[in-house]
Order: sequence, then structure tokens, then C-alpha cells
Amino acid sequence: EAGVVQSPRYKIIEKKQPVAFWCNPISGHNTLYWYLQNLGQGPELLIRYENEEAVDDSQLPKDRFSAERLKGVDSTLKIQPAELGDSAVYLCASSLDPKNIQYFGAGTRLSVL
Amino acid sequence: QKEVEQNSGPLSVPEGAIASLNCTYSDRGSQSFFWYRQYSGKSPELIMFIYSNGDKEDGRFTAQLNKASQYVSLLIRDSQPSDSATYLCAVIGGYSTLTFGKGTMLLVSP
Repeated sequence: EAGVVQSPRYKIIEKKQPVAFWCNPISGHNTLYWYLQNLGQGPELLIRYENEEAVDDSQLPKDRFSAERLKGVDSTLKIQPAELGDSAVYLCASSLDPKNIQYFGAGTRLSVL
Repeated sequence: QKEVEQNSGPLSVPEGAIASLNCTYSDRGSQSFFWYRQYSGKSPELIMFIYSNGDKEDGRFTAQLNKASQYVSLLIRDSQPSDSATYLCAVIGGYSTLTFGKGTMLLVSP
């Protein structure tokens, strides 16, 4: 069974440019998460989806970040415009439900120059 | 703000020793507790989960939970150099949100 798939693995952009990340969760997992991880820190939740509904996006900087999960499967996370401080690893995870084990994708390492 | 606290380390142990990693959490309503291992440049992978007070063993790993003290720990017996990684404690609180600690770096020397 395939795990959580993320792309791209690496992205280098200049500040003020837009960037998008894509995630395909484990088949059958209704809950999908986007996390941000800075060096030396634990992952921090940006947004949680239950099926196609965003149920926790309190930590998502909505002025520049947006996310969608069409048809309750794949998800995209977008930043527009990117800032230097957005350089981090963006992790996608999925689980059967919010109280269950979360499985992580390989992550996208973003560098904003 | 729900907090999960871990000593950042590094915790250095010799090969074959027992490594003890500790974590405290602030949300008394927390129900589920997880330990993830993260190698440098990789994503977190689940090592153990525990829901009830007491000990849970899986191979060389033992998770211990004390809800009264709001404390969860991970013991690694017969530590190997391949165990060198950052160990993340994570807790699901009352709002079904998984909150991570900053992680403890473990270094196992041959």
C-alpha cells in the first residue's frame, strides 16, 4: 500500500513568488493534515481536513496561505506571495480519523531566497 | 495554548545502554500519546502509541504513561547507533489536534 505522497520534494523560489505543494493521502484516510516544520522544532499544524471540510485552520496565515482538498482526496497548499520566513519543511499527513495514528509524507523543503 | 515539553538534548548514550526520553504535557484532557522518530532530513515515523496508564512494550521500545502526572516516556533498550535520531513526543488533546514537542536528539555512540 502506498504511503502519503508529496510533491515536489524540494522547491527554491524568490521572495514574492507563488508556490504550491501537492499531497495524496493514504487510500481510505478521511483526515488530512498540513504541517510546517522549522529546523529544530516539532511539526506545527497549519490545517486539518476531514473529508473535504477544513475543520481546523486556526494556525494558517490566511493572508498568504490557502489550501484546498477537492473531492476529499488530494490536497494542495499554496503560498502567495512567499516571504523569506516561509522557508521550512511542509509536511502532509493523513489518518483514518482525527483520533487515529497519523502517517507522514516525505515533505517538501521550501527555500525562499 | 496546549504545550508538550521535551528536553532538546542531545542525550548521549553508549551502544547497548538504555536511553530514556521524557515528555510532559499540559492538557489534562489528552487521550492519545505518540512517539515519532525523525532522522535528519526525513519525515517523522511512528514508533509507539499509548492510550492507557502504565507501560506498553514493543521489541526494544517501552512507552510509559502517567496521566496523573501528565508525563509520558520512551525507553529504548540495547540502544544501537541506528537509533540516533530526534524523538518527537506528540499528544492528541481535547480538540483532536495533535501537538508535538520540539523533540529530543538522541546520540548513540559505538
